[in-house]
Amino acid sequence: QSALTQPASVSGSPGQSITISCTGTSSDVGRYDYVSWYQQHPGKAPKLMIYDVSLRPSGVSNRFSGSKSGNTASLSISGLQTEDEADYYCRSHSSSGSVYVFGTGTKVTVL
Amino acid sequence: EVHLVESGGGLVRPEESLRLSCAVSGISVGGNYMSWVRQAPGKGLEWVSFMYSGGDTYYADSVEGRFTLSRDISKNTVDLQMNSLRVDDTAVYYCARGPNWDSWGQGTLVTVSS
Repeated sequence: QSALTQPASVSGSPGQSITISCTGTSSDVGRYDYVSWYQQHPGKAPKLMIYDVSLRPSGVSNRFSGSKSGNTASLSISGLQTEDEADYYCRSHSSSGSVYVFGTGTKVTVL
Repeated sequence: EVHLVESGGGLVRPEESLRLSCAVSGISVGGNYMSWVRQAPGKGLEWVSFMYSGGDTYYADSVEGRFTLSRDISKNTVDLQMNSLRVDDTAVYYCARGPNWDSWGQGTLVTVSS
């Protein structure tokens, strides 16, 4: 079961917008509307930011948004802030092999 | 408020066993979907196992047949019994709640080394 493909790093200046892609296949991202995104600061547990492609849990800033097109899901962060600097992982259900498959992870740097 | 606390991690040798526990407060483990997720040092996240509220369990291929997930409703805990441990099982192990993993514990480190 291959991991979902994410860019290794994405950077932006404070106030800018960035987008992180998560590319899978027709067996995972393309098949299910069950893509989640997690933020992880160094040494901390992951935090759910987006679920079911585009839904935001209570308490998560509306600067974070999710979408999907075909086999690629995306996480967008608008109005970039220093506290957004972290690693981000996507997750999808999968019909091939493992029930869940994770993305390779993206390090977001705020310049 | 949901609170998850993992315990039981440590240093073991290859082929040894270890039992992790996740103490849960704020919800009942009997009525919730609970999972274990791990992260090897410097690496990404990897799903390990989950249990539906009805009790059915599922495992990643990498741990199938070696790890067993169970719950104790009276103690409100979710346990992960890990047998025949390998060096590549070395990781921080997290428990998480729900199908979307909306609550996480702080993690417990398992190190497998000879």
